[in-house]
Amino acid sequence: GIQVEQSPPDLILQEGANSTLRCNFSDSVNNLQWFHQNPWGQLINLFYIPSGTKQNGRLSATTVATERYSLLYISSSQTTDSGVYFCAVPWDNNNDMRFGAGTRLTVKP
Amino acid sequence: EAGVAQSPRYKIIEKRQSVAFWCNPISGHATLYWYQQILGQGPKLLIQFQNNGVVDDSQLPKDRFSAERLKGVDSTLKIQPAKLEDSAVYLCASSLWSSGNTIYFGEGSWLTVV
Repeated sequence: GIQVEQSPPDLILQEGANSTLRCNFSDSVNNLQWFHQNPWGQLINLFYIPSGTKQNGRLSATTVATERYSLLYISSSQTTDSGVYFCAVPWDNNNDMRFGAGTRLTVKP
Repeated sequence: EAGVAQSPRYKIIEKRQSVAFWCNPISGHATLYWYQQILGQGPKLLIQFQNNGVVDDSQLPKDRFSAERLKGVDSTLKIQPAKLEDSAVYLCASSLWSSGNTIYFGEGSWLTVV
């Protein structure tokens, strides 16, 4: 099955700073999703992005499928951006989505 | 549009007891997932249903865990008997279909086994 690696594992930012989170995967994918888990445990889908670039407010994501990585950009970070960011890809053709270990982001005021 | 509903939100049981979690996916979603998330780790897929059929249960500890999705809507995840290492959040999620659709998560059911 496919392997997913996220980096960095931990990131501490000052409010207003920008950041880039990375997700590497070991095989070609037709489905990649980014999630944010808030401090209360709720997982929110940020992007469905198997390829290309998408933007939603201060967040944007780019997936380069041929090079097997995806990037999540957070601009002008806010304290509410704190939490854990996960990427997920299909394990096999059944699209059973498997998650990386996550990047824990802390944004300080 | 109502989200994925889960219950109970919190449960504390003693080891060797049993527990059941319930999930109601978003209306019209054919695919339903159960994930286990241990503190500090990413969610681990336990079982995936497409309507009322099982697509993947390769990571489900079948000696103690069982899940069903009768009529292709609601689902129940059961643990019997529970072990200390089953302490985790059990997350239910759903999507329209399994291929290329956004996944939506419920708030989770927090289980503590003492």
